[in-house]
This record gives sequence, structure tokens and C-alpha cells, in this order.
Amino acid sequence: ETGVTQTPRHLVMGMTNKKSLKCEQHLGHNAMYWYKQSAKKPLELMFVYNFKEQTENNSVPSRFSPECPNSSHLFLHLHTLQPEDSALYLCASSQDRGGAYEQYFGPGTRLTVT
Amino acid sequence: QQQVKQSPQSLIVQKGGISIINCAYENTAFDYFPWYQQFPGKGPALLIAIRPDVSEKKEGRFTISFNKSAKQFSLHIMDSQPGDSATYFCAASTPMDTGRRALTFGSGTRLQVQP
Repeated sequence: ETGVTQTPRHLVMGMTNKKSLKCEQHLGHNAMYWYKQSAKKPLELMFVYNFKEQTENNSVPSRFSPECPNSSHLFLHLHTLQPEDSALYLCASSQDRGGAYEQYFGPGTRLTVT
Repeated sequence: QQQVKQSPQSLIVQKGGISIINCAYENTAFDYFPWYQQFPGKGPALLIAIRPDVSEKKEGRFTISFNKSAKQFSLHIMDSQPGDSATYFCAASTPMDTGRRALTFGSGTRLQVQP
């Protein structure tokens, strides 16, 4: 295991539902990320948090709302999603600065929007 | 300019053969090139990485070849095994003004090693 856990692993939701994805890292890292992985497309970076502060939002629709209450936990709140939002959502963490380069990924949440 | 182009999209290799995956980039600010391996139901995991000051890096059966002038790099898997069957992503990293490093991924190659 990488030290990054995600729950739930699978989620099916209707377009009018509200749900949340949770990520927790046990590595003592100071940066956390949300990625979207769709079939046959590169991983898309959605949000970046450094020391609990959101530093990047890559033009993600407002129906995705991230929350980072502390440096170990990251949430992605979902509401009024569209079928095209169905994908694997990956959380990652890294220790920024100090020359560390690697990002460690969780197993992902497979989201299906019906 | 931030794209990393990866080929082929899928690859079938016989057990014991050599698997080769290629990537190309444009942004000369990239200074670190990792490869990630992803098995079904798992997140990507760092496999091997190279910096542009060397032309080759080898770890076990996995080798990265790097051509800085051509802005290309490739992953070679020697003596490919069925357990190597996975999706492989190349990536390129660059430092940003915020102090963090941005990671740009290729589109992935699905490798199948047949017994």
C-alpha cells in the first residue's frame, strides 16, 4: 500500500444526489491532490492543496467542491453531477520542497453517475 | 507546450520479449521524468524515474532511455512477464512559482504480456 487511502472505492449516484469522497494520507506529506482519470485520456489534475491551502483549481466545474481540513485529509464534495463526470477519482500526496519529487496515489474511487 | 505524448496506446508482447513505450515532450522546463505503473483497481505507482543529465537509467528489468536533444524518452521492459501486464504512464515534472512541482502525464499504454 502507498500510505494513501480513499473511501469509498465505488460510488453510484444519481444526478441530483450529494456525496463526498474522502482521502487520507499517512505519510506526513504537506501537499494533496485530486485527479480525474477517464478512459484513454491523460490524468487530469483538478485541485492542489499545500499546507491546507488551495493553490490550484484547474477550471473545475463548481459541482466539484474540495475541502482540506488538515494536511492529512482531503475531501471532494459532489453535487448535481453529470454522466460525463463518471470516472476514477484519484487522490495523491507529496512532500513539496526539499527536492522531493514523487507523488503517491491512492487506489481511487470509481464513480458512476446515472 | 505542457503535453506529453505517449505511444503506443496498447501493446501486446510475448513472455520473455521486450516491451518498449515511447514518450515525447515540448516543454524544455521539464527536469524530471517518472514512469508510473497502474494495475486494475489500483492507483498509479512510481516505477522508475530519470533526470535529463543522464541518458539511461536501469533498475532490474526496467530501463529508461532519455534523448534530451530529441526531447524523447522511453521505457524498456526486458524479459517481459505476465505480471508486468498493466497500464504504464510516462510523466514530466517541472517546478512552479508556488514551490510545488507540476506533473504532466501521458495518456497511458496498456501492456499485455502473453504467457
